[in-house]
Amino acid sequence: AQKVTQAQTEISVVEKEDVTLDCVYETRDTTYYLFWYKQPPSGELVFLIRRNSFDEQNEISGRYSWNFQKSTSSFNFTITASQVVDSAVYFCALSDQLSTTSGTYKYIFGTGTRLKVLA
Amino acid sequence: SQTIHQWPATLVQPVGSPLSLECTVEGTSNPNLYWYRQAAGRGLQLLFYSVGIGQISSEVPQNLSASRPQDRQFILSSKKLLLSDSGFYLCAWSSRGGFNQPQHFGDGTRLSIL
Repeated sequence: AQKVTQAQTEISVVEKEDVTLDCVYETRDTTYYLFWYKQPPSGELVFLIRRNSFDEQNEISGRYSWNFQKSTSSFNFTITASQVVDSAVYFCALSDQLSTTSGTYKYIFGTGTRLKVLA
Repeated sequence: SQTIHQWPATLVQPVGSPLSLECTVEGTSNPNLYWYRQAAGRGLQLLFYSVGIGQISSEVPQNLSASRPQDRQFILSSKKLLLSDSGFYLCAWSSRGGFNQPQHFGDGTRLSIL
């Protein structure tokens, strides 16, 4: 079954601390994509990163980094030197094929991790 | 650049009343369109998706329906709202081209049923 687990419901850190958000997934597919989204208090979802199942290189973008490990089915997200503006709910998502005819896919979302960064 | 608009931002409706939420996308053609619902403190659940005008697929049985009258317009409706329809509704679009295409979300509609 396709599933995404974000076991951390809520994390609180003090500004400038590093924090890692965990994501574990289950999939029947050999080829798939993983995504991370940020949902600030305003509600919209902001796309952060996409990673395909064949690329296990870690990625760094500024203070953000992602560690994809296929062997453990994990795609963890680390924020270095956290800031108050990082406070949000973060969602991990897995692509799941809806239709082979149209090539349409949906996301299976985790339940999200609420990150609170305290000043 | 592409943009997605969703309205209204907030809606308070009595039980049994009708519903119409609208979503439009600009700056792209033939997008895949999606409606998600986020219940309080929970993840997102896909309700409907559409790969073209008049083509609607439902992911879960429910009190809601969706329509796509134009290429870049996606509407979520209900004839009679239930208390369980409360939640945060998000519209999203993605380009054709497969499962590597990220979905881009609107700002959402917060729906409260009284």
